[in-house]
Amino acid sequence: AQTVTQSQPEMSVQEAETVTLSCTYDTSESDYYLFWYKQPPSRQMILVIRQEAYKQQNATENRFSVNFQKAAKSFSLKISDSQLGDAAMYFCAYRSESQGGSEKLVFGKGTKLTVNP
Amino acid sequence: ETGVTQTPRHLVMGMTNKKSLKCEQHLGHNAMYWYKQSAKKPLELMFVYNFKEQTENNSVPSRFSPECPNSSHLFLHLHTLQPEDSALYLCASSQEGVLETQYFGPGTRLLVL
Repeated sequence: AQTVTQSQPEMSVQEAETVTLSCTYDTSESDYYLFWYKQPPSRQMILVIRQEAYKQQNATENRFSVNFQKAAKSFSLKISDSQLGDAAMYFCAYRSESQGGSEKLVFGKGTKLTVNP
Repeated sequence: ETGVTQTPRHLVMGMTNKKSLKCEQHLGHNAMYWYKQSAKKPLELMFVYNFKEQTENNSVPSRFSPECPNSSHLFLHLHTLQPEDSALYLCASSQEGVLETQYFGPGTRLLVL
């Protein structure tokens, strides 16, 4: 079974600085998808960024980028120019298919990010 | 209204009560999901519905009973719950297919007394 590990329960960053959140995963599959979700205090999970394993190029969405190291099974999230609104729980997730063919996400335990003014 | 909505947002119930959680998606998706989020634990997938058919039951106790009357609505019926069932219950939806991303609702915070 696939597992996702986020080794940093909490992180903090100064406003306008850069922070990197770590994620490693374990799988025997060669094709899969990786996600970072953000869960602010409002509790709604919001997709931040997505990476297809077959793509060598790291995904980027504005201030958010990933460092995807397939051989090392590592998928870190870098937040540049951190803003107060970035404060949230960040979840790394791995997608595998269930028997029914639907999307099945495996989540890490999350990293709580605090942004200091 | 757009996106994925869930009602109620907060629910307190006794162990002998029967209640239902509702999820509605306005995104035209045809796959819907129930997740349980407990403190200090990863999100746990509970149920998956694809085109109104249940395709996944992740060993969930029978005191949780899902219902999907159509592709836009998903219910989670609760009865004789235990205090350890207290958690945030998240609904999500996606377009069926291997490339599609799940979109989450705001969740229902459940407290079982």
